[in-house]
Amino acid sequence: QKEVEQNSGPLSVPEGAIASLNCTYSDRVSQSFFWYRQYSGKSPELIMSIYSNGDKEDGRFTAQLNKASQYVSLLIRDSQPSDSATYLCAVNTGAGAQKLVFGQGTRLTINP
Amino acid sequence: NAGVMQNPRHLVRRRGQEARLRCSPMKGHSHVYWYRQLPEEGLKFMVYLQKENIIDESGMPKERFSAEFPKEGPSILRIQQVVRGDSAAYFCASSPNSAGTEAFFGQGTRLTVV
Repeated sequence: QKEVEQNSGPLSVPEGAIASLNCTYSDRVSQSFFWYRQYSGKSPELIMSIYSNGDKEDGRFTAQLNKASQYVSLLIRDSQPSDSATYLCAVNTGAGAQKLVFGQGTRLTINP
Repeated sequence: NAGVMQNPRHLVRRRGQEARLRCSPMKGHSHVYWYRQLPEEGLKFMVYLQKENIIDESGMPKERFSAEFPKEGPSILRIQQVVRGDSAAYFCASSPNSAGTEAFFGQGTRLTVV
C-alpha cells in the first residue's frame, strides 16, 4: 500500500462548479497535511495546510481532514480554467520524520 | 516560491559527468529538503538537511548521490557519473523549522543526461 494515495485523474469539472480532490494516507501518526498545486513544467506551489480535524477555508479553497478515516480532501469552489493543474497531496509522517511524502497527484481540468 | 533559489534551472550533462545542483533557502529558513520528480511521476523525497547536518537521507540512492548544506553558502546536491536514468527535475524546498511546518519549493533544476 502506498503511503499517500490519490486518484491520478484526469478529473474534469465544468467552470463554476466545485472540484473535489481526495487523498488517503497510511501512517496514523501523521500530523501535518498539505495541498500543493503544480502547473505543467513548474514547481509545486503550496495552497493549503491543515493540522487538525475538520474544515479549513481559504478563499475558494477548503481543506478537510478526518484523521480517524485517514482522509484529507480539497474542495475548490467556483472553479476557474486557471485552476487546471495537478494537485499534490503531501503528508508529514511525524514520529520524528520530517519529510513530506507526496501522492502521485490528481490532474484537474476545468472546462470553460 | 521565488524565495527559494535554485540554480542552474537547466543542466545538461553527458553520461559519466558530474552534476552539481545548488539551493539557497528562503531567508530565515534553516531546513532544506531535496526531492526528485521523474517524468510523469510524483515527487520523491531524497534528503533532509540542516546547516552542516544530514538529518534524513533515506531517499538517496546508495551510490553516486551526495548532499551537503555547509555553514556558509547554498545546499549542494551532487550526482557523480550521471546516467540517463538521472534525468529528472530536482526540487529543493525549505522550511523555518522541522515541526511539520510548511515547506516552500524552488523553481527546480531540470537535469538532462545525454
